[in-house]
Amino acid sequence: KAGVTQTPRYLIKTRGQQVTLSCSPISGHRSVSWYQQTPGQGLQFLFEYFSETQRNKGNFPGRFSGRQFSNSRSEMNVSTLELGDSALYLCASRSTGNTGELFFGEGSRLTVL
Amino acid sequence: GDSVTQMEGPVTLSEEAFLTINCTYTATGYPSLFWYVQYPGEGLQLLLKATKADDKGSNKGFEATYRKETTSFHLEKGSVQVSDSAVYFCALTLGSGNTGKLIFGQGTTLQVKP
Repeated sequence: KAGVTQTPRYLIKTRGQQVTLSCSPISGHRSVSWYQQTPGQGLQFLFEYFSETQRNKGNFPGRFSGRQFSNSRSEMNVSTLELGDSALYLCASRSTGNTGELFFGEGSRLTVL
Repeated sequence: GDSVTQMEGPVTLSEEAFLTINCTYTATGYPSLFWYVQYPGEGLQLLLKATKADDKGSNKGFEATYRKETTSFHLEKGSVQVSDSAVYFCALTLGSGNTGKLIFGQGTTLQVKP
């Protein structure tokens, strides 16, 4: 069974640009969550999607957005990039009803210059 | 608000030493508790979990017991190996746990030397 796949793995952007990250969950998983990981703030929850609907949202500005498609694949977008957005963005999927077990991808490492 | 506090790292041990990584939490209600591990260059993976008080989670020689009275979920292993070197995250989720929203601790880096 293929794991969670995130693309791209690495990317470099400049301030003011926007970026789109993609996540393909494990087959059959309908829930996708996104996290930001930084050395200073650790792992912080961004949002969760289930059946194309956002179920939960963390405390991030509106520049951070996401969506989920009918095949459960998800994208997140960050607009007007700031230096502080440099981070590892992790996507995780889970099967419904499974108490808290998330399956994480390897992440997309974003560097903002 | 709800939060998880882990002991500061890095923790450096010799192979076959006993490991404890402390984790305490603050939560409204009755959380489910988890330990995730992140090996270098990889995403996080679930190590063990406990969903109610006094439950013990165990996997690969690691154990943790959900202690409601001390709001703790300390990770232990009797004899660590070099391959256990990784970053360990304690986490909680609220309610029934049927959610993708976890609250993570800061992570504790474990380095095991041969």
